[in-house]
Parts: sequence; structure tokens; C-alpha cells
Amino acid sequence: GQQLNQSPQSMFIQEGEDVSMNCTSSSIFNTWLWYKQDPGEGPVLLIALYKAGELTSNGRLTAQFGITRKDSFLNISASIPSDVGIYFCAGQPIFNAGGTSYGKLTFGQGTILTVHP
Amino acid sequence: EAGVTQFPSHSVIEKGQTVTLRCDPISGHDNLYWYRRVMGKEIKFLLHFVKESKQDESGMPNNRFLAERTGGTYSTLKVQPAELEDSGVYFCASSRGPTIVQETQYFGPGTRLLVL
Repeated sequence: GQQLNQSPQSMFIQEGEDVSMNCTSSSIFNTWLWYKQDPGEGPVLLIALYKAGELTSNGRLTAQFGITRKDSFLNISASIPSDVGIYFCAGQPIFNAGGTSYGKLTFGQGTILTVHP
Repeated sequence: EAGVTQFPSHSVIEKGQTVTLRCDPISGHDNLYWYRRVMGKEIKFLLHFVKESKQDESGMPNNRFLAERTGGTYSTLKVQPAELEDSGVYFCASSRGPTIVQETQYFGPGTRLLVL
């Protein structure tokens, strides 16, 4: 089946530093998503990417959809303590000829982020 | 608008017992998904309902797992009999439907299952 390789597995950084994590796949996805999971909670969507080459920002977060459709990265600038958590990339396949993304998500293994004040 | 809710939040059972997990999706969401994360691994898809019908159950591990969504509202996931390797966090997610371009799946808080 499809697999996503996410790296790094964990990061320990100082508050204020920038963070970068990425995902690669052996197969193409139509949509790339980045989720964050806080302890005791479910994953929450941070950024969604729908077009190859797309670069999207959400506050201090920036993510890009790779040109080949097989990779994506997430950057967090000027990290703060509340950025602590597990970050997951996820890919979603094409559903129909109209390009709607639908159905099951394939997740990466997650990046555990620790931010020291 | 209430989010996706799951019950129970935690469950500790012995091998061989039965456990039933429940998910209440966001009101009006036709799509309901079950996922599972085993310790330290990726979140894996189990199955997908569209209303009361199973759209995709390719991720169900074996026939010890039974998912239902009677009436197209809430869903249950029963594990019978439970094995040690079934331990993990079971997430439910819901979304509106394929007529909505670029639909978003909203996740519940998960049920943490420990089989001893």
C-alpha cells in the first residue's frame, strides 16, 4: 500500500527557533495535509495543499506541495512553547475526474516537537 | 457546532474480552472514518462509511473487528475477542461529502484502548 516517510521523528528546539519537517511518498497524492495532535486530543488540521507547487501559509506555518506530488514540507517560524505536539503529514488520493479529494487519508509516522522555553 | 465525540476516552480490558467503541460525527456529516494509531507508528485507516453504507473497509485488520453505522448517524466499532496487538488509539473522523470540493476530515479525541 501507499506509505509516507516523515522526518525527522523528533525535534528538540529552543523557543524562537525555526522548524522544518517533511514527508515523501513513493506514489502520487492529490492533496497533502498537515495535522497537529496535542496530548489527549485528536489531530487538528493545520494546512491543506491542493495543487502541485502550491505554497500556503497559516500564521507562522508555511507548507508546500511538491512539484512531483510525492512530497511536502512544513515550516514553523519563531517557535513558541505551545507549538509542542506531534505533527503528521497526510496524503489523500484523487476521487474523481473532477479532482475532488475524498476518502481515506494515508499518514506519516509523525514528528514529535519539543520546544524549550 | 459540536465536534466529533468518542466514547469511552479510555478502555482497559483483558485479552479475549469484547470492547465496543462509539463515535458521534459532526451533525450533517455523511462521511465517517475510523483510524487507529498503534504506539509510535503512523495513524492507519480502518474503514469509511458514507451514511450507513461501508464505502471502503480495506483497512480492517481481520474479522475480529466489526463496524456499524445504523441509521447513518453514530458508529460503533466492536473488537471481539480482543488481542494484545489491538492496543492503540482509535480515532474517528467525519466530513460532509464528495459534493464538497476539498472536503476536510475532522477528528475526534480518540479512544485509548489497552489490552492486557
